[in-house]
Amino acid sequence: AQSVTQPDIHITVSEGASLELRCNYSYGATPYLFWYVQSPGQGLQLLLKYFSGDTLVQGIKGFEAEFKRSQSSFNLRKPSVHWSDAAEYFCAVGGNNQGGKLIFGQGTELSVKP
Amino acid sequence: EAGVAQSPRYKIIEKRQSVAFWCNPISGHATLYWYQQILGQGPKLLIQFQNNGVVDDSQLPKDRFSAERLKGVDSTLKIQPAKLEDSAVYLCASSSTVHQFFGPGTRLTVL
Repeated sequence: AQSVTQPDIHITVSEGASLELRCNYSYGATPYLFWYVQSPGQGLQLLLKYFSGDTLVQGIKGFEAEFKRSQSSFNLRKPSVHWSDAAEYFCAVGGNNQGGKLIFGQGTELSVKP
Repeated sequence: EAGVAQSPRYKIIEKRQSVAFWCNPISGHATLYWYQQILGQGPKLLIQFQNNGVVDDSQLPKDRFSAERLKGVDSTLKIQPAKLEDSAVYLCASSSTVHQFFGPGTRLTVL
């Protein structure tokens, strides 16, 4: 079955510290992978996506993610967190054979302490 | 470029009442999606349209939920009658490629 697991429901980091949010997926074909961010009362904003090629992808707001096929993972990283990064982060998987349908993880809520 | 528009932003109804949500996708986007996001969970696809045809409605509770996209542009999602467990944020998204753009959502509370 196709699924996405985000093992951490809630993470708290200090401002300026590094961040890594975990994402593991189960998908039968070559996956398209996405990270979205959702601030309270807002829709989902795309941070970055992986379709093919270089397994380290750069996104907006200083985020990056690395696709590791052997581990079925697509972890999101940021070297230095800002207070404005506090939000809910969702990992999603889709594919060409899915007609664009995305399967989302349950999300990781990020809190940033001063 | 205007984003995906949704209305209303908030709705409170009592169980067994009906409710409708509206979505206007980004101009030119052929594919439109409705997702349900229950508190503490990730969005779950309810229905996907390609122009005015349904591509995937396998997760739509068809006994109470219906959706249409008659002219291949804007879309409405209806719930009739609503249940307590329908309380959620309903997100609309549109795409021309694999990248989906999301609207702000409609937060539904069923009392």
